[in-house]
Amino acid sequence: AQTVTQSQPEMSVQEAETVTLSCTYDTSESDYYLFWYKQPPSRQMILVIRQEAYKQQNATENRFSVNFQKAAKSFSLKISDSQLGDAAMYFCASAISGTYKYIFGTGTRLKVLA
Amino acid sequence: DAGVTQSPTHLIKTRGQQVTLRCSPKSGHDTVSWYQQALGQGPQFIFQYYEEEERQRGNFPDRFSGHQFPNYSSELNVNALLLGDSALYLCASSPGQGLGGGEKLFFGSGTQLSVL
Repeated sequence: AQTVTQSQPEMSVQEAETVTLSCTYDTSESDYYLFWYKQPPSRQMILVIRQEAYKQQNATENRFSVNFQKAAKSFSLKISDSQLGDAAMYFCASAISGTYKYIFGTGTRLKVLA
Repeated sequence: DAGVTQSPTHLIKTRGQQVTLRCSPKSGHDTVSWYQQALGQGPQFIFQYYEEEERQRGNFPDRFSGHQFPNYSSELNVNALLLGDSALYLCASSPGQGLGGGEKLFFGSGTQLSVL
């Protein structure tokens, strides 16, 4: 079975500091994709970053980067220079290649302190 | 360029009633997926539509059904509503014939359904 686990219900970070959100997943497939989505109070899920499992290089998008540890099935998100607008729920998700079902974790609420 | 739009934004129904939620995908997208997000949980996959057919379905009962129209817009229908159906229903669209796994999903702001 495909599962995604986020063990941190809530995290806080000071503005301009760095924070890391954790995610572990489980799958028996070798070809899959991993994502981080952000859900602000507007409720609209926004893609933050995407990682292809066959690529060893960690994905980066401006202030957002991931630490992808395939053997450990770990996929953490690092947010650098945190901004007030980063405050939101963050969801980790996985999708197996060739299928259309995305599995989401339960989310981590990120608070950014001014 | 309009993104994914969903209507209505909020809906209140009573147990046993039927409800229809609507979604218009982002321009250029041909694939629509529906997700249910219960309070405090992550979204759960209901089903995906491509070329007006249900292509994959999650673990939801037959009370949940859908439709996709030739213009790629979609409806989610839920019959015989239960209290447990109260949730945020999210629609997501994606481009490129829905190649499967890995494509970026673009979400709407959802429909908040309350069942009393």
